[in-house]
Amino acid sequence: GQNIDQPTEMTATEGAIVQINCTYQTSGFNGLFWYQQHAGEAPTFLSYNVLDGLEEKGRFSSFLSRSKGYSYLLLKELQMKDSASYLCAVRDAGNNRKLIWGLGTSLAVNP
Amino acid sequence: EAQVTQNPRYLITVTGKKLTVTCSQNMNHEYMSWYRQDPGLGLRQIYYSMNVEVTDKGDVPEGYKVSRKEKRNFPLILESPSPNQTSLYFCASSLIGAGEKLFFGSGTQLSVL
Repeated sequence: GQNIDQPTEMTATEGAIVQINCTYQTSGFNGLFWYQQHAGEAPTFLSYNVLDGLEEKGRFSSFLSRSKGYSYLLLKELQMKDSASYLCAVRDAGNNRKLIWGLGTSLAVNP
Repeated sequence: EAQVTQNPRYLITVTGKKLTVTCSQNMNHEYMSWYRQDPGLGLRQIYYSMNVEVTDKGDVPEGYKVSRKEKRNFPLILESPSPNQTSLYFCASSLIGAGEKLFFGSGTQLSVL
């Protein structure tokens, strides 16, 4: 079956670094997305990985290992505004438009 | 400004009263989709469209209808809403391509009494 696993909740301190993991088991793979969603708002795009390795974009980085079915989102220099839910989504190779979504990781950043 | 406009933001209705949630994008995107988001269940796709007059079912299409008569608009229709359709709904659009990101509307919080 198709499955994406993420921790439900995480807590971190302002200024620290946090890593949010995502593991997936899907019938095909055509890329992995990370989205950020603040409470009551729409998801917004953070990153896309299709090849193995680390993609860095400012304070946010995303890593992918296709052989392990594993990705992580790394948030550095945490700020209070980073308190949000982080959604991992995998693009299915069979249907190029199908996105399989994780349930999201709710991150609380404390002062 | 590039955006997906979704209306209304909040809607309270009663069982059986037909309603339409509108969605419009100004980015000339081919692909549009509707999701519902419920606690513990995450984002679930209702319907999607790859282009004008081309629509297809997602994972939870029962009780919903869509149409794509123009490229920019993709309304979601609930012919006879029921309480189990109480949810947060999002419209999204993107270009066609594996790595193309979704742009989401601001969401519609629907309550069916």
